[in-house]
Amino acid sequence: ILNVEQSPQSLHVQEGDSTNFTCSFPSSNFYALHWYRWETAKSPEALFVMTLNGDEKKKGRISATLNTKEGYSYLYIKGSQPEDSATYLCAFLSGTYKYIFGTGTRLKVLA
Amino acid sequence: DVKVTQSSRYLVKRTGEKVFLECVQDMDHENMFWYRQDPGLGLRLIYFSYDVKMKEKGDIPEGYSVSREKKERFSLILESASTNQTSMYLCASSFMRGGQPQHFGDGTRLSIL
Repeated sequence: ILNVEQSPQSLHVQEGDSTNFTCSFPSSNFYALHWYRWETAKSPEALFVMTLNGDEKKKGRISATLNTKEGYSYLYIKGSQPEDSATYLCAFLSGTYKYIFGTGTRLKVLA
Repeated sequence: DVKVTQSSRYLVKRTGEKVFLECVQDMDHENMFWYRQDPGLGLRLIYFSYDVKMKEKGDIPEGYSVSREKKERFSLILESASTNQTSMYLCASSFMRGGQPQHFGDGTRLSIL
C-alpha cells in the first residue's frame, strides 16, 4: 500500500514568520507530485505540479522543492500572512490516474 | 476559469435511501474523480472515470457506484446509504495527460441519519 505522509499535522505561526512543511512519498514509480491549498469553505486549489527530481517551483511567497530519489518535497512560505491560513495537501501520482493524498498540514497564521 | 460544480453543499439523508451526488465540469476534462474526506485521513479515492461510460474503482468503492453518461457529468450513487457514509465528498476533474492538476468542486457534506 502506497503511503504519503505530511508533517507537521498542524502549525501555528506568527504573521511575518517563514515556515515549511514536508511531504514524504514512495521513492519508486514516481510520476508527479502536486501541492494544493485548501481554505475553509472553499475547494482545494492547485499550487504546484512537480515532475522532475530537483524541481523548484515558486508562486509569490510560496515555493516548493522536490527530491524524487529520497521521496520528499518541501513547501516553503516566506513571510506568512493571515490569508495563508489553510490546509496544505500533497498528492503523489505513480503513473496511473490514482493520486494518493497526504492528510495535510493545517496552517494557522496569527496576526 | 475551470468550474467544477457539485449539486449540493449540504445533504441529509436516511439510512437505506439511495443517494445521488452530482458533479459537472465545464472544461472538457477527460478525467473525473470522486473522493471522500474524513477527519485524520487524506482524501480517499472512491471512483474515477477517464472517459464517457468508463470507470475505475478507487481505494474505497464498496457501497458506491458511479455513472458517466456525458463527458461533463459524473454522478456518485450510494446504493443504500449507511451511517458510515457520513462524510465530505469532493468531486474533481483534470485533463487526461498524466500529471495535470485536479480541479475540485466545493464539496458536499453528507449526513446519513
